[in-house]
Amino acid sequence: AQSVSQHNHHVILSEAASLELGCNYSYGGTVNLFWYVQYPGQHLQLLLKYFSGDPLVKGIKGFEAEFIKSKFSFNLRKPSVQWSDTAEYFCAVPLSSNTGKLIFGQGTTLQVKP
Amino acid sequence: DAGVTQSPTHLIKTRGQHVTLRCSPISGHKSVSWYQQVLGQGPQFIFQYYEKEERGRGNFPDRFSARQFPNYSSELNVNALLLGDSALYLCASSPGATGSGANVLTFGAGSRLTVL
Repeated sequence: AQSVSQHNHHVILSEAASLELGCNYSYGGTVNLFWYVQYPGQHLQLLLKYFSGDPLVKGIKGFEAEFIKSKFSFNLRKPSVQWSDTAEYFCAVPLSSNTGKLIFGQGTTLQVKP
Repeated sequence: DAGVTQSPTHLIKTRGQHVTLRCSPISGHKSVSWYQQVLGQGPQFIFQYYEKEERGRGNFPDRFSARQFPNYSSELNVNALLLGDSALYLCASSPGATGSGANVLTFGAGSRLTVL
């Protein structure tokens, strides 16, 4: 069965520090990969997505993620975090190809100290 | 443009009661799916509807049901509420139920259900 695991459950960083959040998936079909973010008091929104092509994808607010097929990984990165990046981050993969049903990881809570 | 709208935003029920949650998708989106997000966990898939037909169901008991209306809005019903049903219920819409675009979900703000 498809699954997603996020290794870091709670990350605390100081502003300007670099960020990398791990995500590993098990999925045998066409790979679509997503990172969603949930800012405090706000709804879940798409941060970035990978469908095909360049394995390094760029999203909103300076975030990027790299798809490494051999490692079944899709880690999220940002070179320099800001206090406003404090949020919960979720990695997600489709339950099955192109069906609109997603499996989410447990989430990583990022706290950025000013 | 209006995003995905959900109502009510918050509600409190007691065990054994039932609840109906409502969702209006983005205009032009025909697929609606429901997710349950328990505190500290990622969203978990409950249902997907497309063109008024159920296209998928997650691992939830029969107490959970849903439907989609001709205008593509949707309702999620939960009967015989349990304490464990306390969660944020998220509705998401996408243009369709097939193709890579089907996986790009836009979420609403959610309905926070507390069961006492």
